[in-house]
Amino acid sequence: QKEVEQDPGPLSVPEGAIVSLNCTYSNSAFQYFMWYRQYSRKGPELLMYTYSSGNKEDGRFTAQVDKSSKYISLFIRDSQPSDSATYLCHMGGSNYKLTFGKGTLLTVNP
Amino acid sequence: SQTIHQWPATLVQPVGSPLSLECTVEGTSNPNLYWYRQAAGRGLQLLFYSVGIGQISSEVPQNLSASRPQDRQFILSSKKLLLSDSGFYLCAWSIRRAASEQYFGPGTRLTVT
Repeated sequence: QKEVEQDPGPLSVPEGAIVSLNCTYSNSAFQYFMWYRQYSRKGPELLMYTYSSGNKEDGRFTAQVDKSSKYISLFIRDSQPSDSATYLCHMGGSNYKLTFGKGTLLTVNP
Repeated sequence: SQTIHQWPATLVQPVGSPLSLECTVEGTSNPNLYWYRQAAGRGLQLLFYSVGIGQISSEVPQNLSASRPQDRQFILSSKKLLLSDSGFYLCAWSIRRAASEQYFGPGTRLTVT
């Protein structure tokens, strides 16, 4: 079983839709959970980070962590064409173990 | 505020030639520094990370090496490039805390011909 599983997509939605992006993980030692957005031919940009189970909201973005199910999600409300990018989940623990998902390619159609 | 620089932005090199990619961070001290490679259609592969000057940990045995001659400078090198070294190379930094959120540079796109 891979440490982090992320559906690669591609995911295509109409403008204004609610988008749900998900990752599952197997390592119960993971304590830090991050989401990055990567536009084509650019470096990843940190979107959200959280260190605990529950929800964290920032504008149109909500990060959700369920440590008991080893499942994290990123929700995008009122999606915009500018949200079209690859979204990467990233998680780690106290031993410097850092693991990225392979990324989900999202396209928001106007 | 913190800024991370990488250069060059793009590079085309013949097989067997040497490589030197540089990364510098401004606005912070004692950062953790990372080198990643992203091949087309693949995820981010951690190559090296450093927690201090002269301290380098290698994650994947390969044709590459890394050095950290100064606190905020990280260099990725190769003596002889292989075709398989082509990819998008990303430098990142994080605060001096284990496995915290990372901030990426703009990347270097390397094509080995």
